Amino acid sequence: DIQMTQSPSSLSTSVGDRVTITCRASQSITTYLNWYQQKPGKAPKLLIYAASSLQSGVPSRFSGSGSGTDFTLTISSLQPEDFATYYCQQSYGTLYTFGQGTKLEMK
Amino acid sequence: EVQLVESGGDLIQPGGSLRLSCAASGFTFSSFEMSWVRQAPGKGLEWLSYIYSSGSPIHYADSVKGRFTISRDNAKNSLYLQMNSLRVEDTAVYYCARERDHSGSGSYGFDYWGQGTLVTVSS
Repeated sequence: DIQMTQSPSSLSTSVGDRVTITCRASQSITTYLNWYQQKPGKAPKLLIYAASSLQSGVPSRFSGSGSGTDFTLTISSLQPEDFATYYCQQSYGTLYTFGQGTKLEMK
Repeated sequence: EVQLVESGGDLIQPGGSLRLSCAASGFTFSSFEMSWVRQAPGKGLEWLSYIYSSGSPIHYADSVKGRFTISRDNAKNSLYLQMNSLRVEDTAVYYCARERDHSGSGSYGFDYWGQGTLVTVSS
């Protein structure tokens, strides 16, 4: 099975900061990498699919990059509503796996 | 409006069985691949199973293979998860999720999720 390693597991940050979260796959997944945002008590929300494509309705401050095994989610200027937990997910082949999550906390 | 509504969660004893349902509306259910994803209390997301739009193929995570069975009824716009031999570690919120799109090599993410249904396995 493909393992996903996400870092950092938590990040203390402030409104206006540029935030970068990384995700590494244990083998190449080409660009079958998706990013989700989850707020407490809510279902996850798809932000980025296919490594770099912005899901409809998602603000343009969110962007994704990478291919193969290394991927990045960037929030260009953190907004108050962005404090949440973020997950990467590989969807290559027939067995999908999520990263362990990155929790953004207010500094 | 796309809606996914899970039901069937309950408190169940270890070794017991439970069937979860997911009612879909607002889209052509028979055209989309679907998955079940769970989240244990305070933990991350775990993908469990996937079913193709037509009902096959089907795939499972190792953690549930042989115990859980995914199925769908396209005439009823419904997705199901039959869970047998439940363990304490199966305690979680269970979500159904719609795949945004699918190619021959993989999926393009889950674009719609239900609100989740809580399964508690405890004696």
